[in-house]
Amino acid sequence: SQELEQSPQSLIVQEGKNLTINCTSSKTLYGLYWYKQKYGEGLIFLMMLQKGGEEKSHEKITAKLDEKKQQSSLHITASQPSHAGIYLCGADGRGGGADGLTFGKGTHLIIQP
Amino acid sequence: ETGVTQTPRHLVMGMTNKKSLKCEQHLGHNAMYWYKQSAKKPLELMFVYSLEERVENNSVPSRFSPECPNSSHLFLHLHTLQPEDSALYLCASSRQGLIGYGYTFGSGTRLTVV
Repeated sequence: SQELEQSPQSLIVQEGKNLTINCTSSKTLYGLYWYKQKYGEGLIFLMMLQKGGEEKSHEKITAKLDEKKQQSSLHITASQPSHAGIYLCGADGRGGGADGLTFGKGTHLIIQP
Repeated sequence: ETGVTQTPRHLVMGMTNKKSLKCEQHLGHNAMYWYKQSAKKPLELMFVYSLEERVENNSVPSRFSPECPNSSHLFLHLHTLQPEDSALYLCASSRQGLIGYGYTFGSGTRLTVV
């Protein structure tokens, strides 16, 4: 079965600073999803990556998938209090199939004013 | 609002009670999922319904019983739960065969078993 390792487990960053969260898979990734979760709430979809070397950006968040499709990173530029929460990476087993996603344990992000 | 609605948001139940969680989506998706989120554990996939057919998950105890009467509704029936079943239960939906649009999650039901 596929396993996802996220690092770091938690991160405290001063407002305005940049940060990176990593997600490493034990198997080749067919679809890699990034979600954000506020404590005790549902998951908000951020981005989905499929192709090796792919990079996507939305506002101040950039996600990349490496060429070998086993590692992804999420980079936040000039962090703001609204970025605080839990960031989760999820892997799609076959891409487009209804298998559900396998998730990492998440990265808890705290933004210090 | 994500388009996936879960009710109730919070539920406290005794170990001898029977209750149901409800999930509803009107996104035109044809696959629905139940996930369990416990403290310090990754999200665990419990059940998958694809085109209203259930994909078996043998690791889920029989005290959890899913039901998918149509492609828009999903239920999780609960009976004789244990305190360790206390968790956030999340419902999600997706469009099978459609890559790139993600899985859409509801806001979850916070379940406490006393």
